[in-house]
Amino acid sequence: EVQVLESGGDLVQPGGSLRLSCEVSGFTLIRYAMTWVRQAPGKGLEWVSSIGDGSGDTYYADSVKGRFAISRDTSKNTLFLQMNSLRAEDTAVYYCAKGCLGRKYGIDVWGQGTTVTVSS
Amino acid sequence: QSVLTQPPSVSAAPGQKVTISCSGSGSTIGNNYVSWYQQVPGTAPKLLIYENNKRPSGIPDRFSGSKSGTSATLGITGLQTGDEADYYCGTWDSSLRTGVFGGGTKVTVL
Repeated sequence: EVQVLESGGDLVQPGGSLRLSCEVSGFTLIRYAMTWVRQAPGKGLEWVSSIGDGSGDTYYADSVKGRFAISRDTSKNTLFLQMNSLRAEDTAVYYCAKGCLGRKYGIDVWGQGTTVTVSS
Repeated sequence: QSVLTQPPSVSAAPGQKVTISCSGSGSTIGNNYVSWYQQVPGTAPKLLIYENNKRPSGIPDRFSGSKSGTSATLGITGLQTGDEADYYCGTWDSSLRTGVFGGGTKVTVL
């Protein structure tokens, strides 16, 4: 069964850092694009970042560019989102997902989400 | 302000049909595949439609998708109470090289 499982969400102070992990199973990470999507409380879905299959080109929303970094460890079948200089507006549920918006198959598998709260 | 424009809400009686529009531009919908997602409050989103009009295994044929030019539409026929959820369209922005979602549409079954 194809699954993705996020972890690492926590309460962090403004300006702090956090690394989210996403362990995947049932498929080989390097063969698929992967995406992070977030949802602030009471708000809609916001695309955060994607990493391509193969060579792994990376893409970021303007709201996180320069602060967040997406990466993967193919030997551990794990995707990461390193989040630095966190702000209150980064508070959200963060979803790890298999696939990429705009591509043929879209985002076809979603995790259950991990909660990041940025507050003093 | 989302790059893709959806109506905030639509509603209809059980058994009826609703359509949800998703308006974009040449660099978004006009040049990329559109997918649709259903999100029941408190749960993760689920893929409903991919490649503009295809349904994943397990999605009933009451759900349909279409795309024309820079707009896409999700249709739900035979509306059921279990269809009450938020629905999002999504695609890629080829100019900005970013993913984009619509603002979401809340479907209410009267």
